[in-house]
Amino acid sequence: QKEVEQNSGPLSVPEGAIASLNCTYSDRVSQSFFWYRQYSGKSPELIMSIYSNGDKEDGRFTAQLNKASQYVSLLIRDSQPSDSATYLCAVIAPSGTYKYIFGTGTRLKVLA
Amino acid sequence: DTEVTQTPKHLVMGMTNKKSLKCEQHMGHRAMYWYKQKAKKPPELMFVYSYEKLSINESVPSRFSPECPNSSLLNLHLHALQPEDSALYLCASSHGLAGGGEQFFGPGTRLTVL
Repeated sequence: QKEVEQNSGPLSVPEGAIASLNCTYSDRVSQSFFWYRQYSGKSPELIMSIYSNGDKEDGRFTAQLNKASQYVSLLIRDSQPSDSATYLCAVIAPSGTYKYIFGTGTRLKVLA
Repeated sequence: DTEVTQTPKHLVMGMTNKKSLKCEQHMGHRAMYWYKQKAKKPPELMFVYSYEKLSINESVPSRFSPECPNSSLLNLHLHALQPEDSALYLCASSHGLAGGGEQFFGPGTRLTVL
């Protein structure tokens, strides 16, 4: 079982819709979770971090964490064509080395 | 200033060349990272420096040699690379102890090995 799993997509949503991106992780003791957006040929850009169960909102983005079910999600409201990118989920490895474990990323396409 | 800078943006080198990638941050971060990213794959950790000391080496071949001259600078020295080393090389930094929080990435260096 992969440590951090994401559906590779592409996930296609119409402009103005809510895009829902999901990420599951295997290690129960993971404590820190991050969402990055990466445009083709560019570097990852941090969108959101979340550390506690529940929702965290920042503008059109909402991160949701459920540690009991071991998933973290990212909702993008009012999706725009400019949101079309690959979204990477990262989890801090709890092994003591504090490394990021990245998922493989979900490619999002917002259709105008 | 929340920026990590990297130079050069693009680099083409032969297998016998020696070159260096440079990374700089002025956010007062004490952890800095080198990642390698191939197309359609997530970033792959190579090295981590914490307080200017090498903290993690992910079994990277010796043809890649990292250096941290001070808390703001990180270099990656390249020698005798192979064509399969062609990739996007990303530098990142974070505030606290290695990996303990949000990492901020530089724009990357696109490396092509001929």
